[in-house]
Amino acid sequence: QVQLQESGPGLVKPSETLSLTCTVSGASLTSGRYYWSWIRQPAGEGLEWIGRVFTNGSSDLNASLKSRVTLSIETSKNQFSLRLTSVTAADTAIYYCARDRVVAGYFDYWGQGALVTVSS
Amino acid sequence: ERVMTQSPATLSVSLGEGATLSCKASENINSNLAWYQQKPGQAPRLLIYGAFTRATGIPDRFSASGSGTEFTLTISSLQSEDVGIYYCQQYSYWPPSRTFGQGTRVDIK
Repeated sequence: QVQLQESGPGLVKPSETLSLTCTVSGASLTSGRYYWSWIRQPAGEGLEWIGRVFTNGSSDLNASLKSRVTLSIETSKNQFSLRLTSVTAADTAIYYCARDRVVAGYFDYWGQGALVTVSS
Repeated sequence: ERVMTQSPATLSVSLGEGATLSCKASENINSNLAWYQQKPGQAPRLLIYGAFTRATGIPDRFSASGSGTEFTLTISSLQSEDVGIYYCQQYSYWPPSRTFGQGTRVDIK
């Protein structure tokens, strides 16, 4: 069974960098059949796609966040990561990692989510 | 950017009754649409992909239809475990983007 688990600091100071890692089990990140995505959800609000990374390290990003986001993948550890720079309170949200099929674009497996609060 | 608009914002339905949720795309997305259910404190769960195909393990009381710009999710007989927020999501191949609707909250009348 495919499982995804987010990990990282739950509190980040304004202007600093948010870093999260998603560890995948039950599926290999070397597969060319999937992208690996990050999605976030501020409290009480809707879902926002941040971007996706492929097994070769290439990525596609939401234009609204592109200047601040870096996605990376470490296939040897079956992990992929998110870095979001220059954070503000508006970046406070639950961050989910999810699997995204190459031949489609829906998310069939999700992590449980990690709450990240931006506050001094 | 493709904008997804869901209606109504909230839907109150009696147990055993049907519920119909709407999702409209700002431009043609063919059948590149998914539906998710999110319960409080949980991650979204995939219900439907390709506009009308149920995901694995999804009960057949959930059905969906539509193509182009207008889509519908129907719950034929609401059960208590169906309470939650339902999101639609479009996926485009180029430029690659994924956009969610703002959600429809379904609760028991």
